[in-house]
Amino acid sequence: DAGVIQSPRHEVTEMGQEVTLRCKPISGHDYLFWYRQTMMRGLELLIYFNNNVPIDDSGMPEDRFSAKMPNASFSTLKIQPSEPRDSAVYFCASSLWHPLGRLKDYGYTFGSGTRLTVV
Amino acid sequence: TQLLEQSPQFLSIQEGENLTVYCNSSSVFSSLQWYRQEPGEGPVLLVTVVTGGEVKKLKRLTFQFGDARKDSSLHITAAQPGDTGLYLCAGEIQTGANNLFFGTGTRLTVIP
Repeated sequence: DAGVIQSPRHEVTEMGQEVTLRCKPISGHDYLFWYRQTMMRGLELLIYFNNNVPIDDSGMPEDRFSAKMPNASFSTLKIQPSEPRDSAVYFCASSLWHPLGRLKDYGYTFGSGTRLTVV
Repeated sequence: TQLLEQSPQFLSIQEGENLTVYCNSSSVFSSLQWYRQEPGEGPVLLVTVVTGGEVKKLKRLTFQFGDARKDSSLHITAAQPGDTGLYLCAGEIQTGANNLFFGTGTRLTVIP
């Protein structure tokens, strides 16, 4: 497997524009997570899905952020309109949950991230 | 307020030195993981500890889970430049939640 694939790797956009980040999780993984990382706040969970269904979106900063997972192999995170304070590295991660409810030993597999700069 | 506090936040040492990084919380975790993140990449899992008092070794890295499952430490022996990176601990609060809480991170630089 090629791992978790994110695109684009870098995105520079002007304030007010719509930004769409994409993620392809590892085949067979049933959980998908979107994180945002900044120097000030570290790694923040934005939203996560189980079997394509959003489970917890309490970390989404505001209504400008939305995420979808139309099928098991694809997810998007959209920001509309974008603002300079949205500048960060956005990570997608996937995992496989143990039938007994315990995280498998291989944990979360992260993508390489999308570095977003809003000017 | 962060659920998992890591210390130190930054650490710069010479090659060959030993170091310990700490991960502390007031919460009890059913398991705890350590990740390393290199510049321009996502975090990569190093180890998972599950049992209170558990010690795991990965070459020069030794991981320990506290007896009460509230804290953990990572000890590196004879650090090498390749150990440079951001070290993150992440705790699972309860079995079945599948939601890891990530620590604040320790940024390690090993100088050749």
